[in-house]
Amino acid sequence: GAGVSQSPSNKVTEKGKDVELRCDPISGHTALYWYRQRLGQGLEFLIYFQGNSAPDKSGLPSDRFSAERTGESVSTLTIQRTQQEDSAVYLCASTSWGGRAEAFFGQGTRLTVV
Amino acid sequence: GIQVEQSPPDLILQEGANSTLRCNFSDSVNNLQWFHQNPWGQLINLFYIPSGTKQNGRLSATTVATERYSLLYISSSQTTDSGVYFCASEAAGNKLTFGGGTRVLVKP
Repeated sequence: GAGVSQSPSNKVTEKGKDVELRCDPISGHTALYWYRQRLGQGLEFLIYFQGNSAPDKSGLPSDRFSAERTGESVSTLTIQRTQQEDSAVYLCASTSWGGRAEAFFGQGTRLTVV
Repeated sequence: GIQVEQSPPDLILQEGANSTLRCNFSDSVNNLQWFHQNPWGQLINLFYIPSGTKQNGRLSATTVATERYSLLYISSSQTTDSGVYFCASEAAGNKLTFGGGTRVLVKP
């Protein structure tokens, strides 16, 4: 596609429910990142996929968080048993050449846990 | 991993003023980018600049890779320049790491 697309744009969920967030990267981009941004804060790295290499999961805050990516296509970020502290904007970015080129961001998914 | 620090954390400008934002990074980098996050939260690419100098309208950026810093210059600032400016860098074999941002408010 023309840009990175994320869905849904907004998600309100009840505490304890599971949620899935989706990211469609730019076609041909081999690398994909997920970041979390709490209100008024900076970008917190979550996970990084590069081609067929093992993902860098070092930023996932707990085992309630997981992410998948099939090949160089769509990625889903799953949060199980959501907590109020999970409320944030979740941002996805993709790049070509696995970090040696420009990263582009989607518009984000605003998650609110009530 | 690489450390990225931005300064100042906050900047208040009168419309028409010039300013310089700084980004320091702790290691040699393959990638250095500047982003503007607008009030709606969208991250807009400003510059991809692992080294050298680039200009785009009223904005310009310089990265001195050997001294591990990058500067973003805003000239003749406008209210639409308000928002948060982030730099991000990636060293070989590492993920893209963001600085804490500089929050800019341009007053009319």
